[in-house]
Amino acid sequence: QRVTQPEKLLSVFKGAPVELKCNYSYSGSPELFWYVQYSRQRLQLLLRHISRESIKGFTADLNKGETSFHLKKPFAQEEDSAMYYCALRGSARQLTFGSGTQLTVLP
Amino acid sequence: NAGVTQTPKFQVLKTGQSMTLQCAQDMNHEYMSWYRQDPGMGLRLIHYSVGAGITDQGEVPNGYNVSRSTTEDFPLRLLSAAPSQTSVYFCASSYSGQPSYTFGSGTRLTVV
Repeated sequence: QRVTQPEKLLSVFKGAPVELKCNYSYSGSPELFWYVQYSRQRLQLLLRHISRESIKGFTADLNKGETSFHLKKPFAQEEDSAMYYCALRGSARQLTFGSGTQLTVLP
Repeated sequence: NAGVTQTPKFQVLKTGQSMTLQCAQDMNHEYMSWYRQDPGMGLRLIHYSVGAGITDQGEVPNGYNVSRSTTEDFPLRLLSAAPSQTSVYFCASSYSGQPSYTFGSGTRLTVV
């Protein structure tokens, strides 16, 4: 199982839409998650594909055909600046993380 | 409810020294794991445990040992520290049936 986040760094202006890309490879039916790490804080769960929820204005849709789980927000805020990790959990318990995308929202 | 507690927060070691990174959780979580976080590489799994007395290797286990004598504690031992082990180490835990992990605040380790 593998998770790929192609963008190490992403900068957008406040109020602009933002999309953080995540692609995965897994032979079965994975569980996908987005975790976020704000400056000087511990890693925390942002959202998971099963719940199909919107957290802090972020949404993510699992596209099995494209094996993607991109994170989107229509209007970025400065407080969204953080490191974002996409993660996959397969049949075993452990999470496999992508390399992360550092999002900076400019004023 | 303290969650997941890691100690120490910072540590500097000399090459060849050994040390133990502590991880404790008070949520009665069965599953615990250790990750290392390196720039550009994300979080990589070192070792994990599905319950007391049971441990297994992750993606990058070499140079590290773990044990799980109690549900609460999951220490990570560096046997002979090397500069390549300079990293930030995170401990995480969860219930068996719970999809999300609770992470500790991390230990920043520098090996000189």
